[in-house]
Amino acid sequence: NAGVMQNPRHLVRRRGQEARLRCSPMKGHSHVYWYRQLPEEGLKFMVYLQKENIIDESGMPKERFSAEFPKEGPSILRIQQVVRGDSAAYFCASSPTFAKNTGELFFGEGSRLTVL
Amino acid sequence: GDSVTQMEGPVTLSEEAFLTINCTYTATGYPSLFWYVQYPGEGLQLLLKATKADDKGSNKGFEATYRKETTSFHLEKGSVQVSDSAVYFCALILTGGYQKVTFGTGTKLQVIP
Repeated sequence: NAGVMQNPRHLVRRRGQEARLRCSPMKGHSHVYWYRQLPEEGLKFMVYLQKENIIDESGMPKERFSAEFPKEGPSILRIQQVVRGDSAAYFCASSPTFAKNTGELFFGEGSRLTVL
Repeated sequence: GDSVTQMEGPVTLSEEAFLTINCTYTATGYPSLFWYVQYPGEGLQLLLKATKADDKGSNKGFEATYRKETTSFHLEKGSVQVSDSAVYFCALILTGGYQKVTFGTGTKLQVIP
């Protein structure tokens, strides 16, 4: 499968635990975007990363949330000390290295986090 | 800031009915406009796009025209099918920026036989 791969597809955590969501972009893509979809709401931009760099994290909550995209391996969105309000679908998208602002993002199937 | 406003759903239509989903935008620059579709349990897929005023994007029987004068990009389809049931997102990206796409809240479409 050459598409954007996200795992786990479903994750259940208790309040106070940590959640780690992983995203492998499409082959040849070095730009990764994370979006959050809350119930009954649209997609909200969280963070944009290139390899080893965070380009724009203006949509990330100031505390408990972090993201990385290392030189090797998948991008990881990490949520520490989860609360019930973090329950949502987290989508990763990627775009080609030289996308020239086409606006076309390739989305994974999402990771659905449930906080008990 | 930049934003996209869509009509609220859900929209319920009978098969073969005409579909319109309204979308208007606010942007500081000159955006490109998009419609994405999300089928149940899946990620979003690009449905169609338009990059300049009066452009018409089309795909799978869906169409949308970039109207700069009314800052709108309404999605239309002449005859919907049950398989079109999904959530539709209007979106924009500013020309010259990187791929930071701003999405509307989505409109759920349900087509009944």
